[in-house]
Parts: sequence; structure tokens; C-alpha cells
Amino acid sequence: NAGVMQNPRHLVRRRGQEARLRCSPMKGHSHVYWYRQLPEEGLKFMVYLQKENIIDESGMPKERFSAEFPKEGPSILRIQQVVRGDSAAYFCASSPGGRNEKLFFGSGTQLSVL
Amino acid sequence: RKEVEQDPGPFNVPEGATVAFNCTYSNSASQSFFWYRQDCRKEPKLLMSVYSSGNEDGRFTAQLNRASQYISLLIRDSKLSDSATYLCVVIGGSSNTGKLIFGQGTTLQVKP
Repeated sequence: NAGVMQNPRHLVRRRGQEARLRCSPMKGHSHVYWYRQLPEEGLKFMVYLQKENIIDESGMPKERFSAEFPKEGPSILRIQQVVRGDSAAYFCASSPGGRNEKLFFGSGTQLSVL
Repeated sequence: RKEVEQDPGPFNVPEGATVAFNCTYSNSASQSFFWYRQDCRKEPKLLMSVYSSGNEDGRFTAQLNRASQYISLLIRDSKLSDSATYLCVVIGGSSNTGKLIFGQGTTLQVKP
């Protein structure tokens, strides 16, 4: 049973380009969370999705960032017109659903903006 | 005020030492509490859940004090392999959608 799969592991982009980060949850999990970890900081919640629905996007920047979790395929975190401040580790986590649950994290995508 | 606060450390201790980490949370309606471990900015991994009655897993003991909104983690007989960042994690109250809220982490370095 494969764990949470994220790709790419490392992504390099120049300022102004788009970054697309993918997350395939564990088999049987329909809830996905995205977190961002800036250098020397803790994990910050970005968005919580359930199949085809955004449940909570209170941590998403208002501009340039979007997320989706289609009926088929992985969840995608999309960052348009990247800036140097977007450089961070982006972690995806999944769960089967419900509250008070433990999350299983992917290995993360390290985004570097030149 | 941060929703979850931890002393970032670092805590430098010799092998065999006992070390304690503390964490406070601001939302009194928070429902679930965990300690996660993160090595070298890899993915966080669940260490243990935290219950009001306290719980123990080998050398690790977690305590929750709801009245003081305080969580602790005690590590006995520290090993070199315990060196990591320990993250205090809270799931919020009734208005929260169930997302985990992380503290900034406490770094532990166990030395020979």
C-alpha cells in the first residue's frame, strides 16, 4: 500500500513562471491537506480539499495560488507567477475522512525560485 | 498570539538524559492533540497522540492539561536517534474544519 506520493521532489522555477505540485493520496483516502514550510519556520496550513471540493482555504494566499482535487487523478497545487518568497517545502497529507484524525504526509516538494 | 506555541530550542542534551518539551495552545475548544517528529525537514511523522489521562509509549510520555491549555512531551534515556525537531500539533475547536495546526517545533540534539 503506497503512501502519499508527491512529485516532483524538487522543482526549480524562474520568477514569473508557474509551478504545479502534485499529490496522490494514500489508497482509500479522500481528504487532502496542503502545508507550506518556509526555511527555519514551522508548517503552515494552506488548504483542505475533499474530492472535487475545497473545504477550507483559509491559509491560501489570495492571489496566484490555487488548488484542486479532481474526481480522477492527483491533487494539484498551482502557483502562478512565482516569486522568490514562494521558495519553500510544500507538503501534502491525506486522511480517509472525518475529524480528529491522524494525517499521513508525503515526502514534500522543495520549490526553489531563482 | 500564535495558535500553538513552542520553545524552539535547541535543546542540547547528553545521551541518557531526560528532556521535556512544552507547548501551549490558544483555542480552548481544541479537540485533539498530537506530537509529530520531523527529521532534517523531511515529512513530519506521527510520534504519538496526547490524551487528558496522559499516555506513554516506551521512553516517551505525553501529557495534556486542558485547564492550562498545555501539552508536554517527556523523553527518558535519550538516544542519539532522538535528535530531531518535535512538533506540537492541535486540531482546533468546533469552527475548525479538522485541519492540523502546527507549532514551530522544538529542536533536540542528543550528543554522545
